Amino acid sequence: GAVVSQHPSRVICKSGTSVKIECRSLDFQATTMFWYRQFPKKSLMLMATSNEGSKATYEQGVEKDKFLINHASLTLSTLTVTSAHPEDSSFYICSARAPRGDETQYFGPGTRLLVL
Amino acid sequence: GNSVTQMEGPVTLSEEAFLTINCTYTATGYPSLFWYVQYPGEGLQLLLKATKADDKGSNKGFEATYRKETTSFHLEKGSVQVSDSAVYFCALSNQAGTALIFGKGTTLSVSS
Repeated sequence: GAVVSQHPSRVICKSGTSVKIECRSLDFQATTMFWYRQFPKKSLMLMATSNEGSKATYEQGVEKDKFLINHASLTLSTLTVTSAHPEDSSFYICSARAPRGDETQYFGPGTRLLVL
Repeated sequence: GNSVTQMEGPVTLSEEAFLTINCTYTATGYPSLFWYVQYPGEGLQLLLKATKADDKGSNKGFEATYRKETTSFHLEKGSVQVSDSAVYFCALSNQAGTALIFGKGTTLSVSS
């Protein structure tokens, strides 16, 4: 089956630093990946759609300069939280759309970010 | 706009009880519908899906039928196990290639 990995699984950082989270599709190519944020006891909130070779499309209210997304290859998308603050602490999850003809999205295991 | 509404949790059941988690949706056109499950400490996993009206998705004893007339996709299982304890998310995709729209999730707790 389609497998999506994320790294790191957990990160603790100081306020003001930047953190990069990687999302990889391990056994398929993904032209489109999605980044979600999950708050405690809340659903997933779509942050942005990442398209290989082009700029990401951000959802309303998501600061593109704060959450930098790079989809440099068909198997890798990165999310960089710049100048992180405690309110950025959350669970970040990526997903990758399966190859053409299948609308299923496969999710990474998530990255727990804690900003002190 | 598109949205998904699922029953508020938590749902607490004894082992072997019957499970129903309600899910209704609002969407234009003919969306695909999904149930995802998130076990404690893990990411989301696809549980089942249905892509057109009257389709029934099934997996691991769980079932859900795409009902266009009632815009529903209720999740059912005849006999739950402790290992089914997780958060269940109903979701829709209204267009191939677009992000999923999720419900708020329903926490299921099964005790032995």
